[in-house]
Amino acid sequence: ELKVEQNPLFLSMQEGKNYTIYCNYSTTSDRLYWYRQDPGKSLESLFVLLSNGAVKQEGRLMASLDTKARLSTLHITAAVHDLSATYFCAPFYNQGGKLIFGQGTELSVKP
Amino acid sequence: DAGVTQSPTHLIKTRGQQVTLRCSPISGHKSVSWYQQVLGQGPQFIFQYYEKEERGRGNFPDRFSARQFPNYSSELNVNALLLGDSALYLCASSLLGPNTEAFFGQGTRLTVV
Repeated sequence: ELKVEQNPLFLSMQEGKNYTIYCNYSTTSDRLYWYRQDPGKSLESLFVLLSNGAVKQEGRLMASLDTKARLSTLHITAAVHDLSATYFCAPFYNQGGKLIFGQGTELSVKP
Repeated sequence: DAGVTQSPTHLIKTRGQQVTLRCSPISGHKSVSWYQQVLGQGPQFIFQYYEKEERGRGNFPDRFSARQFPNYSSELNVNALLLGDSALYLCASSLLGPNTEAFFGQGTRLTVV
């Protein structure tokens, strides 16, 4: 069974602080995505990680992938309120053409 | 360029009824996938279609069906609606291939009463 676990599920941060969200997945995948979702909205693609050791950065967010450990991380640097949202990781599997989503990490950044 | 468009945006149905949700992919995209997102959970894969053929199916009952048309748009049908079918239904389109990225529509919020 394909499983994805994120932790933490809830994260309350102060502005200016750093933190990391972890994503473990049960089965080797072809690539891994990180998405952001604001309340009542759809999914916004943040990163796609294609290979072992891949690292991508956009603003205060940096994502990395360790395919051997089946682990991806999303690191937040100097958090700001605008980053408050729910973040999902989702490995993609060519067989069936499907994304398997984690439970999501609800991030709240407080002043 | 228009992104992935879904219709309707909101829908209220009664238990036992049937519903059809529609999705138009990004121009040039040939693959469409459907996901169900229950409140407070991550999206769950329902179907993937590529070149009008079903290429993947998630763990959903036969009440759920879909199809893809020659213009690559897609419909998701749900029969005999249950209260538990209340969710945000998301459509994603992609080109397919090793570097393909999935782009999501705004979703259809279905409420079953």
